[in-house]
Amino acid sequence: QSALTQPPSASGSPGQSVTISCTGTSSDVGGYNYVSWYQQHPGKAPKTMIYEVSKRPSGVPDRFSGSKSGNMASLTVSGLQAEDEADYYCSSYAGSNNLVFGGGTKLTVL
Amino acid sequence: EVQLLESGGGLVQPGGSLRLSCAASGFTFSTYAMNWVRQAPGKGLEWVSGLSSSGSSTYYADSVKGRLTISRDNSKNTLYLQMNSLRAEDTAVYYCAKDFRTTPRMAEYWGQGTLVTVSS
Repeated sequence: QSALTQPPSASGSPGQSVTISCTGTSSDVGGYNYVSWYQQHPGKAPKTMIYEVSKRPSGVPDRFSGSKSGNMASLTVSGLQAEDEADYYCSSYAGSNNLVFGGGTKLTVL
Repeated sequence: EVQLLESGGGLVQPGGSLRLSCAASGFTFSTYAMNWVRQAPGKGLEWVSGLSSSGSSTYYADSVKGRLTISRDNSKNTLYLQMNSLRAEDTAVYYCAKDFRTTPRMAEYWGQGTLVTVSS
């Protein structure tokens, strides 16, 4: 399975919005609504921020939102805060009970 | 509160074996699929293996097929990963992750990880 494509970096100032893309194929992102997003701070375990394209687990601020169009999924962080600075990974179901991750995006809050 | 606690990591020589465990609590373990996801030093996340809620169906990334075996004991709320014929490229932090579904679809909760180092 090929990894999903994410930009290596993204940035924004406090209070601004930033969107991170995740590009796959019709065999993964485009074929299923099982796209999820994970936040990972240095030295910590990942935390689920979005699942099933746009759903937020309990406790995740509504500043985080997800969407999908065709073979590309997106994570938008609105009202950027210092604590949002982290690595973000997308993941998609890729059929045959396999999962695939993106390469990760380092989000910097300027 | 969902808790996942991995153990069993360590230093192993190339070609060696290791067995990872993940003790789960705070949810009905037998109802959910489980996954192992690894992260090599300074690299991104890589899905390694998944297991259905019953344990009857197992799934693997091509990079580990034939060398790693996932299993679970629902009576002990524990997930395992038997790692054989280890290679240097298997060096990583290994996370166990509870899935949202009964078959692997999306990771929901993550453990803190256990480091496996393959080196002579």
